[in-house]
This record gives sequence, structure tokens and C-alpha cells, in this order.
Amino acid sequence: DQQVKQNSPSLSVQEGRISILNCDYTNSMFDYFLWYKKYPAEGPTFLISISSIKDKNEDGRFTVFLNKSAKHLSLHIVPSQPGDSAVYFCAANPLIGNQFYFGTGTSLTVIP
Amino acid sequence: DAGVTQSPTHLIKTRGQQVTLRCSPKSGHDTVSWYQQALGQGPQFIFQYYEEEERQRGNFPDRFSGHQFPNYSSELNVNALLLGDSALYLCASSSPTGRTEAFFGQGTRLTVV
Repeated sequence: DQQVKQNSPSLSVQEGRISILNCDYTNSMFDYFLWYKKYPAEGPTFLISISSIKDKNEDGRFTVFLNKSAKHLSLHIVPSQPGDSAVYFCAANPLIGNQFYFGTGTSLTVIP
Repeated sequence: DAGVTQSPTHLIKTRGQQVTLRCSPKSGHDTVSWYQQALGQGPQFIFQYYEEEERQRGNFPDRFSGHQFPNYSSELNVNALLLGDSALYLCASSSPTGRTEAFFGQGTRLTVV
């Protein structure tokens, strides 16, 4: 029962262009969402989060958009840099409960 | 700040054996969660410890147990290992105040043969 889905296993983008990573969820009780980045042989690193009371949150080159009616969120990286090449995980936290539900990840490759 | 540290980094065990993985949380954090990440999958929640008690548990069998010590460090124990327990085990620490992100360690790669 995959409650958080990342339907694109991989994405390739030219350096300097925009990267858009997508995530869908099924549980309407999710109200806090996060994006993590993971390099090989390292643990996931927190990137950016958004509460369900917002529809956008920005931090430097990273922006997360939340569409609650569609149960969809996306991460925009502008401009993309080669160092952004990693696996990106979307995660969700329900209103009640402490666990994060993760998607299966999208592997981003930024081509110099 | 050392962040979240886990030990060992790699481990090979035989089916049926028992294993203990260790985690020290980020300074100032008193809540520790454990996740299992199988190959090609996202991390799956095992359980969370707070104030030395298991606060929440995911859909994992009783072979998976844990402990939290007074200094907030934590152990994950897995008994009667199965081949399917081979995975990356991640420890995450967080602050109990408000909705905040969790900080992850580098993980322990467990291989069951």
C-alpha cells in the first residue's frame, strides 16, 4: 500500500535548466510534506518542507508546490547544477502520528 | 555537531542469526526513529522511541525490537534474520517540539546470507 508515489524513477536535465520532480499521495490525513536528497552511501538529507496550510514554500533554488485538491506536490530546482544529481525522496507526515511515509524516489541527473 | 551517527556501517549476517544496530542522535534531539530501506524502495518506518519508550510502530514483525537509553541513543535488534531483512537501516533523530524535519544517519547496510 504505497501512500506516497513518485512515478518517475529517473529524470535528466541540462545544467542551468529547471528540474521538476513530482509526487502524489493518497492519504487525505497527510498535512506535512518534505523533500529529501540522497547521495550514494549517505543518509537522506533534508531539503525543504511545506505544511498543508500553504501552497508554496521557497528556499533559495528550491521551491515546493502543494496542490491539496489534487493530492500532488512538486519540487522545482532552478537553476539545476551538477551537484544536484542525487535521488530525491518525497515524504509525508499525517496530522496524527510521527512516522514519515516515503515515496520510492526519483534519480535526478544534471548534465553539465 | 556530529549529526546522527550509526554503527556499524556494513554488516554481514547468516540467516537465523540476531543483529544489533546502534544510533546516536543529533545533539539536542531526544526522539529516534528507525527506517528500513530495501533496494529500489523508499525508507519504511519501523518504530520511534521517545523518553525510552516505543511511541509508534510501523508494520514490522516482533522480530524487530528496539531500545532507547537515557542519553537518547538507540538500538535496533532483529532476531531470526531472514534473507529479506537485507536492506539499508536508517536512524533518524528529531526534536519533539512542533512539526520538524528528521535528520538521518548514513545508515547500516545489512546483508543476510
